[in-house]
Amino acid sequence: KAGVTQTPRYLIKTRGQQVTLSCSPISGHRSVSWYQQTPGQGLQFLFEYFSETQRNKGNFPGRFSGRQFSNSRSEMNVSTLELGDSALYLCASSLGLRQGRDEQYFGPGTRLTVT
Amino acid sequence: AQSVAQPEDQVNVAEGNPLTVKCTYSVSGNPYLFWYVQYPNRGLQFLLKYITGDNLVKGSYGFEAEFNKSQTSFHLKKPSALVSDSALYFCAVRRNTGNQFYFGTGTSLTVIP
Repeated sequence: KAGVTQTPRYLIKTRGQQVTLSCSPISGHRSVSWYQQTPGQGLQFLFEYFSETQRNKGNFPGRFSGRQFSNSRSEMNVSTLELGDSALYLCASSLGLRQGRDEQYFGPGTRLTVT
Repeated sequence: AQSVAQPEDQVNVAEGNPLTVKCTYSVSGNPYLFWYVQYPNRGLQFLLKYITGDNLVKGSYGFEAEFNKSQTSFHLKKPSALVSDSALYFCAVRRNTGNQFYFGTGTSLTVIP
C-alpha cells in the first residue's frame, strides 16, 4: 500500500506571496492532519480534515487554511507569507476513528523557505 | 489543556547500552499514547502505541514503552542501543474521546559507537 505523499518536497517563496501544499493520504484513510515543524517547537497542529470537513483546528492565524476533497486528498494554503512561516510542513493520514485509537501515518513533508 | 512534555532535548548513550527517552503527559480522560521516530529529512514513523491493557507495550525495531498512570508517564526504552537508532523521537497523546494529537517537542537521541 502506498504511503502518504506530499508535493512539492521543497519550496522557496518570498514574503507576501501565497503557497499551496498538497497531500495524498494512504488509500482508505479519511482523516488528514497538517502540522508545522520548526526547531525547538516540535510539531504544531494546524488542522484536521475528515470527509471533507474540518474537524479540529489549531491555534494558527487565518492566513493558514486547508481543504479536503472527496477522494480524501488535502491541500493547505498559506497566504501573505512571513519569514516565520519557514518550516517543514507535515501531513498525516489515519482512518479517523471516532475514538482515536488509530495511529497517524506521516508523509515526508514539504520544506518551505520564505525569503 | 492537553499537553505532552519531553524533558530532555538531547540524550546520548553508548552503543549496546540500554536507552530511555522520557515522556510525561497531561490529558483529561483516558489517554492513547504514541511514540514516533523521525530520521533526517523524513516524516515521522510510527513506533508503538498504548491503548489499554498491559502497561508494557512492544513496538518496532526492538523498542518498548512503559505506561505509568500514577506518574502520567510513557517512557520509551530499548535494552541495547544501536547506532542506527540515532534520530529524533516524539511522544504524542490523544484523548479517548477526541481526534487531535498533541506532540512533545522531541528528543534527539545520539548513540555513540
